[in-house]
Amino acid sequence: NAGVTQTPKFRILKIGQSMTLQCTQDMNHNYMYWYRQDPGMGLKLIYYSVGAGITDKGEVPNGYNVSRSTTEDFPLRLELAAPSQTSVYFCASSYHSMGNRGSETQYFGPGTRLLVL
Amino acid sequence: GENVEQHPSTLSVQEGDSAVIKCTYSDSASNYFPWYKQELGKGPQLIIDIRSNVGEKKDQRIAVTLNKTAKHFSLHITETQPEDSAVYFCAAIGDKLIFGTGTRLQVFP
Repeated sequence: NAGVTQTPKFRILKIGQSMTLQCTQDMNHNYMYWYRQDPGMGLKLIYYSVGAGITDKGEVPNGYNVSRSTTEDFPLRLELAAPSQTSVYFCASSYHSMGNRGSETQYFGPGTRLLVL
Repeated sequence: GENVEQHPSTLSVQEGDSAVIKCTYSDSASNYFPWYKQELGKGPQLIIDIRSNVGEKKDQRIAVTLNKTAKHFSLHITETQPEDSAVYFCAAIGDKLIFGTGTRLQVFP
């Protein structure tokens, strides 16, 4: 299994541009998550999905959109890039949700480094 | 709001010494506490976890302890090696998943 893969690895955007960060997992996990990690900070949850067709906001959703048309894919969309969105973005997946009995272990992708100038 | 405090933010140890990282959480509903290791340029990787019905768990050189009454949990690494150098994150999961701010561990040969 490749696990969780993310593309691109690095991207520079101009203010106001849009882009989609791709995330794919091949572990048949039902839950998927998007986080951002700012320098010297922990991970903050942007959006998550409990299954195909279902998404929900996390802690910092403003400026982002997601969709989940398949179990494998969970793309993150930035419509109008702003300097405050400069960060490293991590996608993760897990078999069970947080707080449920079972495996809450989240498997992370390698990250996408985004710079907005 | 709910949060997880993690200390220290940086930790330097000599190879072979022990390292301890501590976390305190505020959400009483938290019942699962994973620890992640993040190497440079990579995503976080789970290294050990503990559930609220267990006080201590050990896996070779790594151990985690949990004090639910005090809402503290700690990561202990014994006989540290240079390859242990990384950023370590704690997390507390109940109704929400909240990460600590990370500890940069440097192990000097």
